[in-house]
Amino acid sequence: AQKVTQAQTEISVVEKEDVTLDCVYETRDTTYYLFWYKQPPSGELVFLIRRNSFDEQNEISGRYSWNFQKSTSSFNFTITASQVVDSAVYFCALSEAKASGTYKYIFGTGTRLKVLA
Amino acid sequence: KAGVTQTPRYLIKTRGQQVTLSCSPISGHRSVSWYQQTPGQGLQFLFEYFSETQRNKGNFPGRFSGRQFSNSRSEMNVSTLELGDSALYLCASSLAGAINQPQHFGDGTRLSIL
Repeated sequence: AQKVTQAQTEISVVEKEDVTLDCVYETRDTTYYLFWYKQPPSGELVFLIRRNSFDEQNEISGRYSWNFQKSTSSFNFTITASQVVDSAVYFCALSEAKASGTYKYIFGTGTRLKVLA
Repeated sequence: KAGVTQTPRYLIKTRGQQVTLSCSPISGHRSVSWYQQTPGQGLQFLFEYFSETQRNKGNFPGRFSGRQFSNSRSEMNVSTLELGDSALYLCASSLAGAINQPQHFGDGTRLSIL
């Protein structure tokens, strides 16, 4: 069964600290996609990054970086030099194909990040 | 490019009533998905529509239904409302609902049941 686990329910850091949000997934498929979304207090989830199962290259975008490791089924997200505006709930999600030809999208339960000034 | 628009933003209903929520996807997007978000359960998938057909369905009772129109706009209906239906309902659209396409979310409709 597909499953996405974000064990950290809530994290608090002081501004400028680095923080890593963990995501562990379970799937039997060889082809799948992983995503990270940010949900600020306004409520709208914002897409941050997508990674396919065949691409284990880490990615950096400004202060954000992502570490994908198939060996540990993890897709962790690091924010460097955190800022108050990073305060939000972050969701990891897994997408994989169903036998019917459609796909299934599974979200983790989210990690609430609080960055204190 | 306009984002996903959900109306209304807030709704207050009483038990037993029914409610209809609306979602207008990003122009050109043909797949629309609905999610229920609650503090205890996180984001739960309700259903997905593509070209006016329900293509995927989550594990929700039949009181939850939806439809999609020819212009890709979608509505979700909940009948015989229960207290447990209080939640943030999120709509998301993507170009074709393919496995590799990110979803674009609206601000949600916050439904409160009294």
